[in-house]
Amino acid sequence: KAGVTQTPRYLIKTRGQQVTLSCSPISGHRSVSWYQQTPGQGLQFLFEYFSETQRNKGNFPGRFSGRQFSNSRSEMNVSTLELGDSALYLCASSVTGTSTDTQYFGPGTRLTVL
Amino acid sequence: KNQVEQSPQSLIILEGKNCTLQCNYTVSPFSNLRWYKQDTGRGPVSLTIMTFSENTKSNGRYTATLDADTKQSSLHITASQLSDSASYICVVLNNNDMRFGAGTRLTVKP
Repeated sequence: KAGVTQTPRYLIKTRGQQVTLSCSPISGHRSVSWYQQTPGQGLQFLFEYFSETQRNKGNFPGRFSGRQFSNSRSEMNVSTLELGDSALYLCASSVTGTSTDTQYFGPGTRLTVL
Repeated sequence: KNQVEQSPQSLIILEGKNCTLQCNYTVSPFSNLRWYKQDTGRGPVSLTIMTFSENTKSNGRYTATLDADTKQSSLHITASQLSDSASYICVVLNNNDMRFGAGTRLTVKP
């Protein structure tokens, strides 16, 4: 079974631009979660989607948004990029997204904002 | 103050030695606690998931313990290998909320 894939792997943008990141979960997984990882803040939860609905949301500004498609693939969008948005963005999938369900992470997208 | 504190921040051990990483949390109510291993430049990999009622869970050479009364967890690595060099992250779930520790950076030297 193929693992979680994320595209692109690396991205360089300038302040004020917007960016869309993509995540393809493991086949059969319906829950997709997004995380931001930075050296200063560590891992932080962005949001979780299940069956095309945002089920949980972390404490991030509205510039961060996402969606999930009927095939469970998910996209994350960040508008009006700021320097502080430079981070590794990770997505993880699981079958149901319940608290004891194992999550499988993708390799991440490294976003650099100049 | 972070609700999940990990110690030590970093650790260097020799190959073949054992080590124990600590995770103390104040998250309440508690749903479950997870340990992840993250190699440099890669996404985290789940090692163990423990619910309130579980005291210990093993995954190969990795054994996690949980004391829900004192809100402490540990991850014990037996007979370390060079491939164990990574960051180990403790995550505590509170219903729909996740709290992450800052991680322990483990380096295993030959």
